[in-house]
Amino acid sequence: EVQLVQSGAEVKKPGATVKISCKVSGYTFTDYYMHWVQQAPGKGLEWMGLVDPEDGETIYAEKFQGRVTITADTSTDTAYMELSSLRSEDTAVYYCATEGGSSHNPYYFDYWGQGTLVTVSS
Amino acid sequence: EIVLTQSPATLSLSPGERATLSCRASQSVSSYLAWYQQKPGQAPRLLIYDASNRATGIPARFSGSGSGTDFTLTISSLEPEDFAVYYCQQRSNWPPAWTFGQGTKVEIK
Repeated sequence: EVQLVQSGAEVKKPGATVKISCKVSGYTFTDYYMHWVQQAPGKGLEWMGLVDPEDGETIYAEKFQGRVTITADTSTDTAYMELSSLRSEDTAVYYCATEGGSSHNPYYFDYWGQGTLVTVSS
Repeated sequence: EIVLTQSPATLSLSPGERATLSCRASQSVSSYLAWYQQKPGQAPRLLIYDASNRATGIPARFSGSGSGTDFTLTISSLEPEDFAVYYCQQRSNWPPAWTFGQGTKVEIK
């Protein structure tokens, strides 16, 4: 069974940095890209970027370029998303998501983590 | 960048009724479009991929159609558990990006 288990909720002050983890099991970590998606309270889904765990290559959404760093640790089958220079608008649930299910297509997100709430408040 | 526009924003229906949700792309995405369902406090769930293929375990009352720029998600007869928010999603080749529509909320009338 594929599982993506994320780290717990975080409270951060404006200007700080947060780092969230996503530990996978049930499949070969290096087989599929790992994506991160932001969802602000009451809002829609916004793709942030991805990492290819095979070689560490990343692609970031223009909106988050320069503030987000996505990495993968193949020794622990864990992906990380670090967001810096936090502001109140970054208060959101952050999801990791990957392919590898019935869609057999890297365009789609078959599996999702449970989400991590990040609250940015002074 | 390709923009996905969903309509309506909210759909108010009763259980047993048919739901028709629309997703329009700003340029052709061929058939590379997916639909997700999200319930409060839960992660999204993949329903439909490649515009018309149901993901594993998705009931037959969910169907998708369309290609190019216009896509539809149909729920043939709403069950109580189907009241949720639905998002369409696509991947652009250049610049490489994955984008979502803004969502359609299906609520109980």
